[in-house]
Amino acid sequence: AQKVTQTQTSISVVEKTTVTMDCVYETRDSSYFLFWYKQTASGEIVFLIRQDSYKKENATVGHYSLNFQKPKSSIGLIITATQIEDSAVYFCAMRRGDNQGKLIFGQGTKLSIKP
Amino acid sequence: EAAVTQSPRNKVTVTGGNVTLSCRQTNSHNYMYWYRQDTGHGLRLIHYSYGAGNLQIGDVPDGYKATRTTQEDFFLLLELASPSQTSLYFCASSELGSNNQAPLFGEGTRLSVL
Repeated sequence: AQKVTQTQTSISVVEKTTVTMDCVYETRDSSYFLFWYKQTASGEIVFLIRQDSYKKENATVGHYSLNFQKPKSSIGLIITATQIEDSAVYFCAMRRGDNQGKLIFGQGTKLSIKP
Repeated sequence: EAAVTQSPRNKVTVTGGNVTLSCRQTNSHNYMYWYRQDTGHGLRLIHYSYGAGNLQIGDVPDGYKATRTTQEDFFLLLELASPSQTSLYFCASSELGSNNQAPLFGEGTRLSVL
């Protein structure tokens, strides 16, 4: 069965520093897709960045990047130069690569950025 | 502009009541999903669909029915609502295949069952 686990319930860092959030997943699929989302205080869920399992290069979008370690079934999110507005709950998600398209999420990590 | 719209945004009902949550997407996506979000559990998948008339069972389907009437519309039905179904519900849409876009989410529906 598929599973996505985020063990960090909450993280607090000082503004302008770098933070890493962990995510591990379980799947028997040879092809799958990994996503990170941000849920703002208003409840809006926003897509941030993705990693396709067949790609070796770590994805980067703006000040978000991924640390994809396929042998460890791990997909960490790295946020550099954090800003107050990065405070939110971050979710890791996995979608199967076959035509089933099932999409499941981790429990989320609450990130607080302090001035 | 790509969008996923949920209605209503807030709903209060009584135990045993009948509730329908609606979701419409204008993204021409083939997949649509219903999730519930509760503190400590993240987003849990209730049902999903890959096209009109199709329904796939998610991880927490008990007490819920769903129906995909068109490519655009996906409904979640609670026929005998219980207090345990008080939650924040999200709908999402996604495209698989050559386009393979990241799933997009609606604004959420907050349901209270008294």
